[in-house]
Amino acid sequence: AQSVTQLDSHVSVSEGTPVLLRCNYSSSYSPSLFWYVQHPNKGLQLLLKYTSAATLVKGINGFEAEFKKSETSFHLTKPSAHMSDAAEYFCVVSDSGGYQKVTFGIGTKLQVIP
Amino acid sequence: DTGVSQNPRHKITKRGQNVTFRCDPISEHNRLYWYRQTLGQGPEFLTYFQNEAQLEKSRLLSDRFSAERPKGSFSTLEIQRTEQGDSAMYLCASRPTGTSLGHEQFFGPGTRLTVL
Repeated sequence: AQSVTQLDSHVSVSEGTPVLLRCNYSSSYSPSLFWYVQHPNKGLQLLLKYTSAATLVKGINGFEAEFKKSETSFHLTKPSAHMSDAAEYFCVVSDSGGYQKVTFGIGTKLQVIP
Repeated sequence: DTGVSQNPRHKITKRGQNVTFRCDPISEHNRLYWYRQTLGQGPEFLTYFQNEAQLEKSRLLSDRFSAERPKGSFSTLEIQRTEQGDSAMYLCASRPTGTSLGHEQFFGPGTRLTVL
């Protein structure tokens, strides 16, 4: 069984300040982990992914995430928030089973205040 | 545009009517997934196809739901006798052939269903 817990349903930051979106996972297998972003009325877009290579993963738009096995965490960070970062962010775990079942977290809505 | 496409983008229907949604995956992707996303929740897995074979169905997929992928290309999701609880965003995703863990799923824009 696998699961994802996104610890904050809403995060509000000021433009230019750091962003931290928290994610903890549970998986019976060595998981792959992803962060997706969903802007209003847009499809889900991949930000970054971890697949058992480097534990610090860099993604698009200045985002990065660090895989910490001991803490079963995969938190998403960005040094400086931009207004265009306002969106909903989903942490996703995928197992190594036959069809690589994907489980989404409930999402974190990021608000960026000017 | 070579991404995943879904039609229609929006569908409003009355309770009890049947609806059908279409998904066109990225052309070289043999794996196709359907998800449902309700307000305030992350997408929930509904079903999975590898080529034309439907290999997995979630318990969320009641008998009123049926999905097909007849030629291993596009897929349809039909909901019969719609209920207000079916109102949601229905998302389709595809991914490339192969079992590499590095292959993420590519999502379409979704079909938003409203059942009145």
